[in-house]
Amino acid sequence: ETGVTQSPTHLIKTRGQQVTLRCSSQSGHNTVSWYQQALGQGPQFIFQYYREEENGRGNFPPRFSGLQFPNYSSELNVNALELDDSALYLCASSLSGGGVRSIQYFGAGTRLSVL
Amino acid sequence: QKEVEQNSGPLSVPEGAIASLNCTYSDRGSQSFFWYRQYSGKSPELIMSIYSNGDKEDGRFTAQLNKASQYVSLLIRDSQPSDSATYLCASHFNDYKLSFGAGTTVTVRA
Repeated sequence: ETGVTQSPTHLIKTRGQQVTLRCSSQSGHNTVSWYQQALGQGPQFIFQYYREEENGRGNFPPRFSGLQFPNYSSELNVNALELDDSALYLCASSLSGGGVRSIQYFGAGTRLSVL
Repeated sequence: QKEVEQNSGPLSVPEGAIASLNCTYSDRGSQSFFWYRQYSGKSPELIMSIYSNGDKEDGRFTAQLNKASQYVSLLIRDSQPSDSATYLCASHFNDYKLSFGAGTTVTVRA
């Protein structure tokens, strides 16, 4: 186990609703990255938080937003859910802003289904 | 053009054989490369990292990096049924983002 915990494990929402996913980073890690993994695809980078600030963002619309708290835990919020948002959402924690040699450790993920 | 591409699968090998997985990347500035294993319905688990040209061995796994050819590979020796999973190649393009390939699914036949 990586020590990265995500909640909830599974979630079912309807189109247009809003959802919040949560992640607790591994002890000692100050950086959290979020990824979306559609079925049969590799994870796609959504954004990263370091020291409570967004440290980088992938090609996702503004309805995907996040937060990082002083204890380094993080939330991913998705507004106006669309059917294509159905995916496994992965949180990864690492140390020191995600430098090129930093290793990202993944949580078990949240499976989101949008109906 | 995809940033990281992996050889198409699925790959089926008999128990005890060598499984060979390949990955190419598009950005010559990439500095770090990772192989993750993902069992069905589970999260990715790091199995190897490699930063310099050449080979890196860890148990039954060997990663090979050739920056001139922009190529990374993973060899799994003495393949076991427990190695059956999807293997994801990833690289760091900058300070924050890991870019993943689509994955290669490996099945080890007993």
